Amino acid sequence: GQNIDQPTEMTATEGAIVQINCTYQTSGFNGLFWYQQHAGEAPTFLSYNVLDGLEEKGRFSSFLSRSKGYSYLLLKELQMKDSASYLCAVLTNDYKLSFGAGTTVTVRA
Amino acid sequence: IAGITQAPTSQILAAGRRMTLRCTQDMRHNAMYWYRQDLGLGLRLIHYSNTAGTTGKGEVPDGYSVSRANTDDFPLTLASAVPSQTSVYFCASSDSDHNEQFFGPGTRLTVL
Repeated sequence: GQNIDQPTEMTATEGAIVQINCTYQTSGFNGLFWYQQHAGEAPTFLSYNVLDGLEEKGRFSSFLSRSKGYSYLLLKELQMKDSASYLCAVLTNDYKLSFGAGTTVTVRA
Repeated sequence: IAGITQAPTSQILAAGRRMTLRCTQDMRHNAMYWYRQDLGLGLRLIHYSNTAGTTGKGEVPDGYSVSRANTDDFPLTLASAVPSQTSVYFCASSDSDHNEQFFGPGTRLTVL
């Protein structure tokens, strides 16, 4: 089976930075996705990494180290609307997504 | 229609009943997927279809069936619902199996 681990919950203050870590042990690797999911809504795509390094997209950045089986999602200048669950997902050998259980981020004023 | 839609939004169902969850996309995506999302377990793949006319089993296929008669529609059928199938079901699509997936709004199903 696939093993994708991320923290269950994180809390941060508005304007701060939060880093959500994801470690994985999967049957093959064809890329790693991060999705955002607000309560009661569908997941929406945030980022995709297939090569090692940092991908920056506005306030959000995602990092990948394939040799370490590790990724993180960095959220900068936190806003109240960033309160959501963040899902780490690995595209495995058969090109199917395996998801972690998600990290619920709560942003406080 | 814009994007991917699902119906119904929510449903309460008696155990043993048959139920079909509908999913339609207008993006002409080749690949479509059905997931269930349960608290603490994340999204788990039930069935998928890489292209019209083909389907495959995901991680948790038992008790579910799918069909893909055309590009746009990908219904999920529970032949005889059981309480353990109480969950939120998401349909998703992508233009290929290695690109981002777009998710529908979900169907909240309760089996009593």
